[in-house]
This record gives sequence, C-alpha cells and structure tokens, in this order.
Amino acid sequence: DGGITQSPKYLFRKEGQNVTLSCEQNLNHDAMYWYRQDPGQGLRLIYYSQIVNDFQKGDIAEGYSVSREKKESFPLTVTSAQKNPTAFYLCASSIRMGGLLFYEQYFGPGTRLTVT
Amino acid sequence: LAKTTQPISMDSYEGQEVNITCSHNNIATNDYITWYQQFPSQGPRFIIQGYKTKVTNEVASLFIPADRKSSTLSLPRVSLSDTAVYYCLDTDKLIFGTGTRLQVFP
Repeated sequence: DGGITQSPKYLFRKEGQNVTLSCEQNLNHDAMYWYRQDPGQGLRLIYYSQIVNDFQKGDIAEGYSVSREKKESFPLTVTSAQKNPTAFYLCASSIRMGGLLFYEQYFGPGTRLTVT
Repeated sequence: LAKTTQPISMDSYEGQEVNITCSHNNIATNDYITWYQQFPSQGPRFIIQGYKTKVTNEVASLFIPADRKSSTLSLPRVSLSDTAVYYCLDTDKLIFGTGTRLQVFP
C-alpha cells in the first residue's frame, strides 16, 4: 500500500529541545517537501528536496534543518532556534518537481508538534 | 514571491454548484495551476490540475482563460462532505495561500 507516513501524529516537547519529525514515502518519488501550518492559515514551505543529498530552503527555513540521505526519507529537525515551533507539520512528495510537466504533491497525515 | 489570491470563505447548500475563483497574477510560463482540498487536521489532497482551457475529472472542473491570470474550480452538486478548505497554487511556486473555506449547509 503506497503512501507517505509521518510519525508520530502528536508530539510534545519542552522548550529548548531539538525534535526530529519523521517522513517516509514508498512512492518512489524524487521530490519531497516540508510545510508548516498554523491555525487558520495556509501552508508555508520550510524545505524541499528534488533529489537525494540535495535540498533547498523554502520561505521559513530558519530554525529548521533537514537531511535527504535516502530517497524514501526526509526527516525534519525543529531546533531550539525556532522561536514558535508549535504548529502542524506536513510532509509531501511528488514524482518530480518543475518543468512543463504534470505533477501533484501527495501529503502525509501530518504531525502536530506542541512545545511548552 | 507573490501568492495567489482567492476568497476567504464561501457558503453553499447541498446540491448546488460551487465556483471558486483564484487570481494568478504572477504565474510563470512553466507553472501549472493546481487545486487541493484540505479537511481539518489532515494533509491537503489533490483535486485537479491544468495548464489552460478546461479540465474535467470525476470530482471537479477547472477553467483557465487564455491569459492564465485566473482559474475557477467548479464543484458540481456539492454535498456536506465537500465542506473543507480549498487551495489554488501556481504549481512550481509551492506557495499555498490562506485558501477558501467552503461551508456546505443541508
């Protein structure tokens, strides 16, 4: 059964701690993405990766880090430098990114992070 | 990066057709136009995508004029389960605006 998994669904951390959110896909997609969503707001792009061992900053990358060592995995670390980390985090993947070709993003179920 | 513009909210009744229009003032030549649907506490789900003219699938139609500065998502005969937030985006810009919150009433 193909798809994107994010774990855990809910995550609680104390302020000052780094936390890593998991994202795994078995769709054989090259591109992967991380978004953040705050209540009543749209999605904001944190990082994206078009290929293994390469990733680019999105609009709100400060305080976050990522790695793309495997095609299937794109973990996101929320560092203590992120001033307002409490949010709903969504991971997505697509077969490719860019070019005059059709592609859609497939989203995971999300991780709701609460930092107190 | 300028994002797309769409109404904040819309109300409808079951069985009606709903049209949501989006402005794509900064769309690039290689951008497709994509619409997603999101339910609370879930990831967005792809609805439809197009480049120009009209595209139709089993759930919606997408109308894109020749200048591609706007797009209209058409949902025929909505039901209560269509209550959700709908996002339009220029695909390669990866920018989701605040979306349109559609409320369908019985």
